[in-house]
Amino acid sequence: NAGVMQNPRHLVRRRGQEARLRCSPMKGHSHVYWYRQLPEEGLKFMVYLQKENIIDESGMPKERFSAEFPKEGPSILRIQQVVRGDSAAYFCASSEQGKGYTFGSGTRLTVV
Amino acid sequence: GIQVEQSPPDLILQEGANSTLRCNFSDSVNNLQWFHQNPWGQLINLFYIPSGTKQNGRLSATTVATERYSLLYISSSQTTDSGVYFCAVSGGGNQFYFGTGTSLTVIP
Repeated sequence: NAGVMQNPRHLVRRRGQEARLRCSPMKGHSHVYWYRQLPEEGLKFMVYLQKENIIDESGMPKERFSAEFPKEGPSILRIQQVVRGDSAAYFCASSEQGKGYTFGSGTRLTVV
Repeated sequence: GIQVEQSPPDLILQEGANSTLRCNFSDSVNNLQWFHQNPWGQLINLFYIPSGTKQNGRLSATTVATERYSLLYISSSQTTDSGVYFCAVSGGGNQFYFGTGTSLTVIP
């Protein structure tokens, strides 16, 4: 079992570009969560998805951010027109219903 | 949301020492996890412990859900234990709420 796979591990984007972060959940897990960690802070919830459905996006900024979890393929967190304040570590987690999380290794986004 | 407070915020230990990390939470929870974020930024799941006591090697954890706290015990600490320890709780909703962590440094 390969665990939760995130890629890329590091991503550098210029201001105004788009960032696409990918997450493949653990085998058998149908619940995917995205969290953001700003420097020196804990993790903050962004969005919870199941296959083809966004269940809870209450932590997602209203503009420029979107997430999907298609029937086939990984979950994608997309940030359009990135700004310096988007620089952070983005973690994906997966779980079975009602069970604990397993996190991926994260994607560290740097906006220059 | 649920407020999660961790203490102490920072801890420096000599190798071989024991320590106790605390997590207080503001509301009833049905899920609680302890994570270790190593110096490379990876988040490692230590315990899934909504109640009771669990042990894994030199680490153990106890959650007293009725009193809204959990404790993580590290015995005979090693330099590889360094990093940030996070407590995260869920009240049955869709998200876990994280504390701000305890930053542990183990010196040889």
